[in-house]
Amino acid sequence: GEDVEQSLFLSVREGDSSVINCTYTDSSSTYLYWYKQEPGAGLQLLTYIFSNMDMKQDQRLTVLLNKKDKHLSLRIADTQTGDSAIYFCAEMRDYKLSFGAGTTVTVRA
Amino acid sequence: EAEVAQSPRYKITEKSQAVAFWCDPISGHATLYWYRQILGQGPELLVQFQDESVVDDSQLPKDRFSAERLKGVDSTLKIQPAELGDSAMYLCASSREGDQPQHFGDGTRLSIL
Repeated sequence: GEDVEQSLFLSVREGDSSVINCTYTDSSSTYLYWYKQEPGAGLQLLTYIFSNMDMKQDQRLTVLLNKKDKHLSLRIADTQTGDSAIYFCAEMRDYKLSFGAGTTVTVRA
Repeated sequence: EAEVAQSPRYKITEKSQAVAFWCDPISGHATLYWYRQILGQGPELLVQFQDESVVDDSQLPKDRFSAERLKGVDSTLKIQPAELGDSAMYLCASSREGDQPQHFGDGTRLSIL
């Protein structure tokens, strides 16, 4: 099974904020990543955070890291229909990426 | 923005046949990865190259899968013979070095009949 865990589905109304949560198991992970995958496409790197940071903001995206609880979250402000996709959390340890199973985000009008 | 190029986008073949996938990483990226993504799951690493050398192929089913990156640039992943369970998306990624963010191509969707 995967060491990185995510909830499978999230439904959000257009214009609201989305929060996608992730837990990981290895406290020695150096970087934590968020990727976006649209149907039939590869993974698009959205953002990443170094393990000694608590928060990173990039336009509509905010990443929060709670290293004590090994919890990572991605907040998308003002969610749009184009944000509908699968979002993957990944941790890097020993120069290898381990992915969660992905959270399918559906944006409804 | 430079991208990781993969071909073909789709491949349909019968079991027992041979299949090959090609990947051209972002220019200057020394590290190249092949992943397999089964529907409903996250990608799983098959093989990692640093330049032309394999640094990790622990999850590669070596009885039927092979990968090469002869000149340290583009790479080929081969399956022979293909089995029904090999149906999946095969993704290639590259990074400047092993500890840098990985950038993915659009993948090859393989269907085995």
